[in-house]
This record gives sequence, structure tokens and C-alpha cells, in this order.
Amino acid sequence: EVQLVETGGGLVQPGGSLRLSCVASGFTVTSNYMSWVRQAPGKGLEWVSVIYSGGFTNYADSVKGRFTFSRDTSKNTLYLQMNSLRAEDTAVYYCARALYFDYWGQGTLVTVSS
Amino acid sequence: EIVMTQSPATLSVSPGERATLSCRASQSVSGNLAWYQQKRGQAPRLLFYGASTRATGVPARFSASGSGTEFTLTISSLQSEDFAVYYCHQYDNWPLTFGGGTKVEFK
Repeated sequence: EVQLVETGGGLVQPGGSLRLSCVASGFTVTSNYMSWVRQAPGKGLEWVSVIYSGGFTNYADSVKGRFTFSRDTSKNTLYLQMNSLRAEDTAVYYCARALYFDYWGQGTLVTVSS
Repeated sequence: EIVMTQSPATLSVSPGERATLSCRASQSVSGNLAWYQQKRGQAPRLLFYGASTRATGVPARFSASGSGTEFTLTISSLQSEDFAVYYCHQYDNWPLTFGGGTKVEFK
């Protein structure tokens, strides 16, 4: 059974950093595109970043230069390192599989506030 | 960036009625279009990919069609569990983009 479990969310001050994790089971993260998608409170969905099966990464302009998507294949785990956080980064962050997001995690809430 | 526009923003429907949701892309996305259903407090759920391919477990009352820039999601006879927000999503070009969503609410 495919499962994605995100952890690492919490309250952080503007300018701070946070690292999210997404543990995958039931498949290997290197066999698919994997993405982070976020949803601000009461708002729609926004794609954040992708990592290709070969390891190449791509980012939305809104996070480019501040966020880094990586993975540990030995742990079948994805990471989103978020630096220089802003209030507008406040959202539930989901990891999702493939380009058309066939599986999603339950999400982890990141709140950026002083 | 490809802008995805969904209409209407809110659709008021009675159980048993038909619901038709639209999604328009600012440029062609070929057939690289997906639909999701999201209920309050839950992660989105994939309904369709490839514009019209039903995902595993999606009831037959849901159908989807379209290509290029115009896409439609239809729910033939609304059930109580179908009241939710629906999003379209193009995966033809980077950045991947979503429509703003259509909320299907009880009339």
C-alpha cells in the first residue's frame, strides 16, 4: 500500500528555517517524480517544488533560492528545507507522488508568525 | 506560467442533480490535465488524469472530458459525499499550476 507521511511542521518566526520530511512506503521515491504542494489557510493549492527520478529539482518562483528539495534514498524519505521563511509561506504542506499527484500525504502545517 | 481558470467558483446543487464544472487553460496543455476532490480537513484526492482517465476507485457517476484549453468534470447524480471543492491541475508545463477551485455546495 502506498503511503506518504509528512512531519516537521510547526510555528516559526519570520526569517527562520524549518525542515519538512516525507516518509514514503509502498514504492521507491526514485521511481517517480515527487512534489511538494502547499495550501494556505482557506486558499487553493499551489505547487512548490519537484524532484525528478534522476534527482533534478525545480521550484516555484515564490520559493526559489529559499527552499531546497532533497531525498535520502536509503530511508525512502524526502525533505524540504525551508529558509528565510515569510508570513506568506504559512500553509499546509503536502508531499505528493507523480506529475498528476496520485497519492498525497496528510499534510503538515507550517505557521510563520512572530 | 499557464493560468487555470475554473468556473463557477461555487455551484449550488441538490442531491440527485447533475453538476458540470469547467476548467480553462490560458494555453494548450494537451491532455495533461488532472482533477481532484478535496473535502474539508482532508488532502486532495485524484479523480482523473490524462483529462479523462478515471483514477482507481472513482465512481462511474464522475466523468471528465476535454483537451487543449477546455475541460469539463461532470457528476451525473450528486450524492451527499460529493459535496466538496474540486480542482483542476495542468502538468504539461512548469510551473505546475492549479485552478482556483469550484466549491460544490448543497442547494
